Amino acid sequence: DSGVTQTPKHLITATGQRVTLRCSPRSGDLSVYWYQQSLDQGLQFLIQYYNGEERAKGNILERFSAQQFPDLHSELNLSSLELGDSALYFCASSVVSGNNEQFFGPGTRLTVL
Amino acid sequence: GIQVEQSPPDLILQEGANSTLRCNFSDSVNNLQWFHQNPWGQLINLFYIPSGTKQNGRLSATTVATERYSLLYISSSQTTDSGVYFCGPWTGGSYIPTFGRGTSLIVHP
Repeated sequence: DSGVTQTPKHLITATGQRVTLRCSPRSGDLSVYWYQQSLDQGLQFLIQYYNGEERAKGNILERFSAQQFPDLHSELNLSSLELGDSALYFCASSVVSGNNEQFFGPGTRLTVL
Repeated sequence: GIQVEQSPPDLILQEGANSTLRCNFSDSVNNLQWFHQNPWGQLINLFYIPSGTKQNGRLSATTVATERYSLLYISSSQTTDSGVYFCGPWTGGSYIPTFGRGTSLIVHP
């Protein structure tokens, strides 16, 4: 157990819908990262937050957005869902002050029908 | 951005065999992590190894940053070692690893 929690574990929804994925980092970690893992694209970085502020952006679609709250948990919002958004979404956390080792949550498996 | 190549892409072993997985990267790196994704999809940290050699039980890793590669050694493999192994180096001031496509390992009893 990495100490990073993600909910829900599984999510099945329809095209055009909006969903919210939630992540709680390890105790003491200030930085949260979101990744998408799909069969064709592999494991890709989406976005990073550090202590409530956006720090880095990767291949995140405009239909996706994220935020990190004062208690450091983070949410990833996916809207106008398409079939191609079906994937495993991971959250990771790190201290980000010297040792940047990232610890991954169990992931949320999203299926868009 | 940095390019990451992992080899071999697929590996099938008999229980008890040893193996070496390789990660080549196109740029100099500040940090590198190895992960194991088990058959249930969970990503498990194996090593945080920007340079040098580390050992953890039957697993060890070596990163030679100047030559732009890292190796993961698995000795006396077990069926529970099955899954996909990813390396994720990152460069400069970025805290973001770029992942390779992974090595898929199947260990037969």
